[in-house]
Amino acid sequence: DQQVKQNSPSLSVQEGRISILNCDYTNSMFDYFLWYKKYPAEGPTFLISISSIKDKNEDGRFTVFLNKSAKHLSLHIVPSQPGDSAVYFCAASALDSGTYKYIFGTGTRLKVLA
Amino acid sequence: GAVVSQHPSWVICKSGTSVKIECRSLDFQATTMFWYRQFPKQSLMLMATSNEGSKATYEQGVEKDKFLINHASLTLSTLTVTSAHPEDSSFYICSARDRTGGYLDTEAFFGQGTRLTVV
Repeated sequence: DQQVKQNSPSLSVQEGRISILNCDYTNSMFDYFLWYKKYPAEGPTFLISISSIKDKNEDGRFTVFLNKSAKHLSLHIVPSQPGDSAVYFCAASALDSGTYKYIFGTGTRLKVLA
Repeated sequence: GAVVSQHPSWVICKSGTSVKIECRSLDFQATTMFWYRQFPKQSLMLMATSNEGSKATYEQGVEKDKFLINHASLTLSTLTVTSAHPEDSSFYICSARDRTGGYLDTEAFFGQGTRLTVV
């Protein structure tokens, strides 16, 4: 049972345009959400996060939106740059046996075209 | 951001041997470390959670006798794949959380991963 879903395995965007990556979750106990960027054969790099008490968090070109009622979050990258090409994972965090654990989505491969 | 170092970055071993992977937090103390496994084109699957000085908590379906985890100090956790078989070939990634993190500070930092190939 996939608690965190990224339904688009890939996305291509023209340089300078907006990239929108989506993530859906099913567990209402999740209270913290994160986006990670990953290159092949490397560990994920933290991008941006959002607490469930907020609906938007912005950091430079990256903005994360959270819609709790729809159990949906999205990552907006604007303007997109070729260096943004990577796999993006969303993760949701919940308390489990006294520890906050992350559940990852399956990732979306973003390709930004020059 | 905080640095988590994972070693080795890749390893090839013979079937039946054991392999140890180290995960170190370099500039912070990690109360909790996590071990993940990633199959090609799939998500990062949490294998186990280790807390310093106590036994690791394994996720359902993960063999604790096969994947031995030791979190001996606040800066080091090790994953040992025992009696490795070709099906254990995968990309293993550790992550660590700063012990000073508060309730909402649940960001974890990841190592660079280890590519294990069992031949």
